[in-house]
Amino acid sequence: SAVISQKPSRDICQRGTSLTIQCQVDSQVTMMFWYRQQPGQSLTLIATANQGSEATYESGFVIDKFPISRPNLTFSTLTVSNMSPEDSSIYLCSADRTMNTEAFFGQGTRLTVV
Amino acid sequence: EDKVVQSPLSLVVHEGDTVTLNCSYEVTNFRSLLWYKQEKKAPTFLFMLTSSGIEKKSGRLSSILDKKELFSILNITATQTGDSAVYLCAAPNSGNTPLVFGKGTRLSVIA
Repeated sequence: SAVISQKPSRDICQRGTSLTIQCQVDSQVTMMFWYRQQPGQSLTLIATANQGSEATYESGFVIDKFPISRPNLTFSTLTVSNMSPEDSSIYLCSADRTMNTEAFFGQGTRLTVV
Repeated sequence: EDKVVQSPLSLVVHEGDTVTLNCSYEVTNFRSLLWYKQEKKAPTFLFMLTSSGIEKKSGRLSSILDKKELFSILNITATQTGDSAVYLCAAPNSGNTPLVFGKGTRLSVIA
């Protein structure tokens, strides 16, 4: 599997501000995904980051709150906008090469909003 | 709606015990089922299962899939404290990825 470098690893942010999380893959991948894991919960998909087009958001997640960029096949960013304490979570990016290979994950970003 | 259900949600065992973690799924156009171990933040890949009845094994961990009954199990033998983690079961949704995750089983192994 490939390696995803995700940063920042953690951050503590003031409510009302925004944070951009970056993921860099060491090789080209077709699909990249962003997940959120709230405390004590499992992973919930936020959106699929599409190269060359707008991200596809899951129910309950909107572009204004979670804008995503995917400028090329190795990089994506997720911004958490106008943060509130409810946004405190672990955010994970993920990618896979093909339909037949496992998805692999970045190291995760632990976000705390105060 | 695709879903993955894991049981138990948490488990406490002593070192040396054998544990079995369960995962049932309802996924349209099933392709595979995956197991991950999550210790801190990032899930690490354990197994991908696509065929019924074929056990996959890695050291003390093994897993098998039953496509007729729509479930999988993850076995860990001779558990060690380092096995303490959340074990996640996931399946690609009805299209391609992304993954639909179960809630996970939190395993605690005590000395």
